[in-house]
Amino acid sequence: DVKVTQSSRYLVKRTGEKVFLECVQDMDHENMFWYRQDPGLGLRLIYFSYDVKMKEKGDIPEGYSVSREKKERFSLILESASTNQTSMYLCASRLGSVSNQPQHFGDGTRLSIL
Amino acid sequence: AQKITQTQPGMFVQEKEAVTLDCTYDTSDPSYGLFWYKQPSSGEMIFLIYQGSYDQQNATEGRYSLNFQKARKSANLVISASQLGDSAMYFCAMREPYGNNRLAFGKGNQVVVIP
Repeated sequence: DVKVTQSSRYLVKRTGEKVFLECVQDMDHENMFWYRQDPGLGLRLIYFSYDVKMKEKGDIPEGYSVSREKKERFSLILESASTNQTSMYLCASRLGSVSNQPQHFGDGTRLSIL
Repeated sequence: AQKITQTQPGMFVQEKEAVTLDCTYDTSDPSYGLFWYKQPSSGEMIFLIYQGSYDQQNATEGRYSLNFQKARKSANLVISASQLGDSAMYFCAMREPYGNNRLAFGKGNQVVVIP
């Protein structure tokens, strides 16, 4: 089974802090994704990476950056956290070469910015 | 423009009955894929079923089946013999053909199964 592990289930940070959310997958997947999920808005793509050191902006990249130095790890960085970044963050990975492969998700991180 | 539309309000379903969740999509590309995910209150997203645009038959996976009507751009999820553990949010998603395997998600349908 694919395992996608997010470093924290719950996280509380203060406004202005630099926040790191870590995601690790154990299936050698090329593609990795970061989403945020807010009530009534569904899942919105922040950034994705289709291979090591590659990254592309999603639909809402403002205020975020990412890092993919190793294939198994994809980090989301909130450069200077703000209260409007309080949300549920979901990481996903996917085998890149086959079109019918689903994205596999981690358990999510509920982030609160105070 | 919204690519995936899920407009049903929250649904209450009697245990052991079937439930259909609506999903319509919008694309001009002939090659695409449709996915359904389940999200229980604990938060994890669980993949349920996949339908490719060229698949001749409707996808099935255990109690889950997909009613794929290509001309109507509709991919409804059918859950047969509902169980209490089926209570969750259900999301329909479409793989974007030129987006490096990005998924566009709908806003979800809430299902509550009652005994």
